[in-house]
Amino acid sequence: GNSVTQMEGPVTLSEEAFLTINCTYTATGYPSLFWYVQYPGEGLQLLLKATKADDKGSNKGFEATYRKETTSFHLEKGSVQVSDSAVYFCALSASSGGSYIPTFGRGTSLIVHP
Amino acid sequence: GAVVSQHPSWVICKSGTSVKIECRSLDFQATTMFWYRQFPKQSLMLMATSNEGSKATYEQGVEKDKFLINHASLTLSTLTVTSAHPEDSSFYICSALVGAAGNTIYFGEGSWLTVV
Repeated sequence: GNSVTQMEGPVTLSEEAFLTINCTYTATGYPSLFWYVQYPGEGLQLLLKATKADDKGSNKGFEATYRKETTSFHLEKGSVQVSDSAVYFCALSASSGGSYIPTFGRGTSLIVHP
Repeated sequence: GAVVSQHPSWVICKSGTSVKIECRSLDFQATTMFWYRQFPKQSLMLMATSNEGSKATYEQGVEKDKFLINHASLTLSTLTVTSAHPEDSSFYICSALVGAAGNTIYFGEGSWLTVV
C-alpha cells in the first residue's frame, strides 16, 4: 500500500536558520504530494502541493520539489521564524481501486527559538 | 482555496451522552470525506471514509456503532460519538478531496471533544 515517511522530530532551530524536513513516499502510479502545517490547538492547513514530477510547490517561503527518481518531497525554508513553530505533515493522495485515499506521515514538530 | 468547515470547534459532554460533529464543504461538492482522530502530539489516525449516499468505510479497530457517520448530502458529513466516555476525548478532524484527480486535500478546523 501507500506510505509516507517523515523524519522524526522535534527539529529545534534558531531563528533565521535553514530548515529541511525530509519526506519520502511509496505509492503506485503518480500521486499528488502535499505539506500541511498544524499550529498548536488548530487544524491542518495546506502549506503547499505538487501534482507531478519535478513540480515545485512553494508558499510563505517554504518550498518542496516532487522528486520521482528519489520518491521524495523534502520541505525547505531558507530562514525560519519563531512563528513557523508548528507540526508539519507530509501527505500524498493516490488512486486506489478508482478512489483517492490520502496517506499522511507521522508529522514533524518544528521548534524555532529566538 | 476550497473551504471545509467543522462545527462545533469545542464541545464538552457528560459520559454516556452522544455528541454530533458536523463537517461541511462550503464552496464545493464533496462525494467523499474523511474523518480523523488525533491524540495530543500524535499523528492523524484515519477513522473512516464517508461516502455520500452510502455507508461509511471504517478502518480496522474503529467501532462502527460507536462512531456513527452519515453523509446525507454532497456538502455535509456528520460524526456522532455515541455513549461517549472519557477515553473518547480527542481532537476530531474531517477532510475532503477536491479536484478532478483528488489532487488536493482540505481540512476542517477540527473539533475538540472532552467527555467528563
